[in-house]
Amino acid sequence: NAGVMQNPRHLVRRRGQEARLRCSPMKGHSHVYWYRQLPEEGLKFMVYLQKENIIDESGMPKERFSAEFPKEGPSILRIQQVVRGDSAAYFCASSSQGDQGEQYFGPGTRLTVT
Amino acid sequence: AQKITQTQPGMFVQEKEAVTLDCTYDTSDPSYGLFWYKQPSSGEMIFLIYQGSYDQQNATEGRYSLNFQKARKSANLVISASQLGDSAMYFCAMSLQRAGKSTFGDGTTLTVKP
Repeated sequence: NAGVMQNPRHLVRRRGQEARLRCSPMKGHSHVYWYRQLPEEGLKFMVYLQKENIIDESGMPKERFSAEFPKEGPSILRIQQVVRGDSAAYFCASSSQGDQGEQYFGPGTRLTVT
Repeated sequence: AQKITQTQPGMFVQEKEAVTLDCTYDTSDPSYGLFWYKQPSSGEMIFLIYQGSYDQQNATEGRYSLNFQKARKSANLVISASQLGDSAMYFCAMSLQRAGKSTFGDGTTLTVKP
């Protein structure tokens, strides 16, 4: 049973470009969460999605960031017009139930904005 | 709002000794889950142990145990017989029932000395 997959593992973008981060949840999981980890800090919640629905986006910056989890395919976290402050590790987690059950984390995507 | 506090930025332990990593939490919700994750230098998030708020007994997983003191709102991680491979960052996290997302502490860096 494959775990949570994220790609790319490393992404370099110049300021102003777009970054697309992909997350494939574990098989059978329909709940996806995105977290951001700035250097030397803990993970901060960004958004919680189920298939075709955004459940909680209280941690998402109001501008430039968007997320989706379509009926088919991976969940996508999109960052438009990236700035240096977007450089971070972005983790995706999935769970089979949307309560306090265990979330399984992917390996993360490390975004570097130059 | 939920909050996780890890007051130890860094800890040192001698190989083969036990170590306790502190975690306190704050929530008014009666139903929640508490987690510990390990993040080695390679960056992935590794699930270690889970404690539900209604669990009567402290959780144990191999060399990991969670010292859950509900009245004090603490969920300390105890690692017995430390190994060099235990050197990593450790995060305490909490999620609420039906909320999905997890709130993380800032982490504790554990260094195991030979």
